[in-house]
Amino acid sequence: EPEVTQTPSHQVTQMGQEVILRCVPISNHLYFYWYRQILGQKVEFLVSFYNNEISEKSEIFDDQFSVERPDGSNFTLKIRSTKLEDSAMYFCASSSSKETQYFGPGTRLLVL
Amino acid sequence: AQSVSQHNHHVILSEAASLELGCNYSYGGTVNLFWYVQYPGQHLQLLLKYFSGDPLVKGIKGFEAEFIKSKFSFNLRKPSVQWSDTAEYFCAVLFGGATNKLIFGTGTLLAVQP
Repeated sequence: EPEVTQTPSHQVTQMGQEVILRCVPISNHLYFYWYRQILGQKVEFLVSFYNNEISEKSEIFDDQFSVERPDGSNFTLKIRSTKLEDSAMYFCASSSSKETQYFGPGTRLLVL
Repeated sequence: AQSVSQHNHHVILSEAASLELGCNYSYGGTVNLFWYVQYPGQHLQLLLKYFSGDPLVKGIKGFEAEFIKSKFSFNLRKPSVQWSDTAEYFCAVLFGGATNKLIFGTGTLLAVQP
C-alpha cells in the first residue's frame, strides 16, 4: 500500500538556522498538506498546497515558513530562521481529493 | 470558532473490555468526520471516516463510529479491545465549505492491559 514518507525522522538545529523538511506524497495525489504537533498539544494545520500554489494557510504559517514542490515527487517545508517555539513534530499529508488525507510518519524538530 | 473536543485524555482498559471514545464538534453545517490512530512509533493511520449515508460506519480492526447529528458527536467504539489497540486516537473534522483544513481533537491515549 502506498504511503507518505518524510525525511529526516529527527532534526536538531540551532535557533536562527534554516531547516528544510522533506516529504514524498503518495504518487497520484494532488493535494498536499503540512501539520504540526507541539508536545502535549493538538495537531494543528499549517498549510495546504494544490496546483503548485498555496490554497490555504493558518495564522501560524507566517513569513518564516514556505513550501515548495521542487520536482514531481517531493514536497518541502522550509523554516527560514527557526525559533525555540518551532520545536514540534511536523506531519506531511496528501490526498487525491479534498477529503481523506493520508499522513506521513512525521519529522521531530528540536530547536536549541 | 470551529473546534473538536475529545473528552477522555487517558483511558486504561483491560483486554476484552468495551471501548467508547467521545468526540464532539462545534459546527452545525456539513462535516466530514474521521478517526485516526497512532500506534507507538508509527504515523497517523486512518481508522474510519464518515461523509454521508449510514451514520454507523465501520472501520479497520473492528472499530466503528456513530455520527449523531443532533449531538454533534462522532464517538468511536469497539466491543472488545486487545492489547494491540494500545495507541493514541484522534478525532478530526473537515468542516464544510471551501476549506480542506482538518481540525483535530486533543487525542485520547488508550492503554490496554493484558
